[in-house]
Amino acid sequence: SQKIEQNSEALNIQEGKTATLTCNYTNYSPAYLQWYRQDPGRGPVFLLLIRENEKEKRKERLKVTFDTTLKQSLFHITASQPADSATYLCASGSARQLTFGSGTQLTVLP
Amino acid sequence: EPEVTQTPSHQVTQMGQEVILRCVPISNHLYFYWYRQILGQKVEFLVSFYNNEISEKSEIFDDQFSVERPDGSNFTLKIRSTKLEDSAMYFCASIRGTGGQSNQPQHFGDGTRLSIL
Repeated sequence: SQKIEQNSEALNIQEGKTATLTCNYTNYSPAYLQWYRQDPGRGPVFLLLIRENEKEKRKERLKVTFDTTLKQSLFHITASQPADSATYLCASGSARQLTFGSGTQLTVLP
Repeated sequence: EPEVTQTPSHQVTQMGQEVILRCVPISNHLYFYWYRQILGQKVEFLVSFYNNEISEKSEIFDDQFSVERPDGSNFTLKIRSTKLEDSAMYFCASIRGTGGQSNQPQHFGDGTRLSIL
């Protein structure tokens, strides 16, 4: 069955460092991957989308890569700030259904 | 910026009762969704809705569940004969759904926390 997995449950980093989060998929080839941020008690908020024919996408301090050979997407936050602390979700699917990974909880320490 | 709104923010219900969770999607959006998130677990797809009918549903979305778009603005999820394991956050989402909708980001509400006692 199709699976989308995020490696680590929690990641702690120092303020100013780059956070790197991993999303792996198995048993299928998604046409795109999406990344969302979720704060406690809130709904997911869309951050970035990357298509299978794009190697990299950037938005301000955020960068996403898509490696179809490794079946993996990496999500980077550069110059991280305590306000970046949240759970980050990767997701893929279609207009009819979106499947989420379990998320990585990021804590940026001051 | 337009947003998806959900009411109530918290619903407490006795086991066996029926609940209706309400959502107002973004006004020019055409695809609507319900997701569930049990405490500490992943966001799980329940159902998608387009053109006044269910587009896709997951195994979770059994006969206990139903969705409806009763008017031009509301989108509801009804859960009949609630069980303890229905306790979760329920999120509504929508997308514009025109012109390459398969890769459009979904806009989520902040959810309804459903507590079954």
